Amino acid sequence: GESVGLHLPTLSVQEGDNSIINCAYSNSASDYFIWYKQESGKGPQFIIDIRSNMDKRQGQRVTVLLNKTVKHLSLQIAATQPGDSAVYFCAENTGTASKLTFGTGTRLQVTL
Amino acid sequence: DTAVSQTPKYLVTQMGNDKSIKCEQNLGHDTMYWYKQDSKKFLKIMFSYNNKELIINETVPNRFSPKSPDKAHLNLHINSLELGDSAVYFCASSRGQGGREAFFGQGTRLTVV
Repeated sequence: GESVGLHLPTLSVQEGDNSIINCAYSNSASDYFIWYKQESGKGPQFIIDIRSNMDKRQGQRVTVLLNKTVKHLSLQIAATQPGDSAVYFCAENTGTASKLTFGTGTRLQVTL
Repeated sequence: DTAVSQTPKYLVTQMGNDKSIKCEQNLGHDTMYWYKQDSKKFLKIMFSYNNKELIINETVPNRFSPKSPDKAHLNLHINSLELGDSAVYFCASSRGQGGREAFFGQGTRLTVV
């Protein structure tokens, strides 16, 4: 079946460094992608989204890059802070399908 | 103000029991969802409702029965609970169907013993 996956299950970065979290997806028909952050004991929280007609979108300290040629999505976090420590998920949506398909998640650990 | 709230936050129950989880959203969204997160943090959709109508049922055992009394509420009833039902269940809502961010509740950690 279709899947959304991540290359790295755990990523450790030093405070102040930039983080890059990667995601591979296999459904070429997907046209909407979201990054979520999930802190311990909480529900997933929206970070940033991107539609398939774009290849880059920037938010506050975060940037999402979409490469449709290789079906790859990445989340870049600038100047990573301890509060960024969480599990990060990419998710995809196809057309009008009323569901998001989630990747397996990457745990980001920020060291001091 | 909690946008998507679910109760209870924790639920411990014995095998064979029947239990319900409630969810309410005050965002004015017309689509609501139930997701299940397993011990490996994998999130998988179970059900999706749009304006009280079931539109997605992802091969979930029929022991799980969602009910939407109105578009602001989506409850999940589980009959004859099994050990494998232990997980965190998340309610979510979104505006419209597809192609939009979903807002998640804080989750209900269900433990079946």
